[in-house]
Amino acid sequence: QKEVEQDPGPLSVPEGAIVSLNCTYSNSAFQYFMWYRQYSRKGPELLMYTYSSGNKEDGRFTAQVDKSSKYISLFIRDSQPSDSATYLCAMSHSGYALNFGKGTSLLVTP
Amino acid sequence: GAVVSQHPSWVICKSGTSVKIECRSLDFQATTMFWYRQFPKQSLMLMATSNEGSKATYEQGVEKDKFLINHASLTLSTLTVTSAHPEDSSFYICSARDSAGANGNTIYFGEGSWLTVV
Repeated sequence: QKEVEQDPGPLSVPEGAIVSLNCTYSNSAFQYFMWYRQYSRKGPELLMYTYSSGNKEDGRFTAQVDKSSKYISLFIRDSQPSDSATYLCAMSHSGYALNFGKGTSLLVTP
Repeated sequence: GAVVSQHPSWVICKSGTSVKIECRSLDFQATTMFWYRQFPKQSLMLMATSNEGSKATYEQGVEKDKFLINHASLTLSTLTVTSAHPEDSSFYICSARDSAGANGNTIYFGEGSWLTVV
């Protein structure tokens, strides 16, 4: 079993919809949880950073971490076509090397 | 926000030659940098962890003599692909850890470097 599981999609939603992206993991030692957005042929861009459990909100983005279930989520409200990208979850136990999910491809249609 | 600069953005080289890719942290000091490669529609695969002033730590299956990593300063790490072959063609991405940032231990990525070996 991979340490981080993420459905690759693709996920297609209409503009304005709420998007829910998720990852599960198996290593209970993970403490740092991140979501990155990667546009085609570009490096990943950090969207959200969460330490330990809880929720974090930044504009249209909300990250949730449920350590008891080993489950993390990223919600995007009022999705826009410019949100179309691959979203990668990443996590670490030490703040050093990251363990990535495979990424979920999101398409927001006008 | 923190910026990690990677150069070159893309490079085409002949088989058998060597290529150097630079990764710089522009507004923070990075004692630790990471090098990844990513094939199309695949996730990032960690190649090695680069620590300033010491030897890099390579992941299993990554040839250290082929992928030379140097982290000579707190803001610069380089990856040299030696004797490149077409199968080395990939997207190489570096990241740097900002241990002093507001979020603590946040990792930022460069824009990536596309390597095509012909």
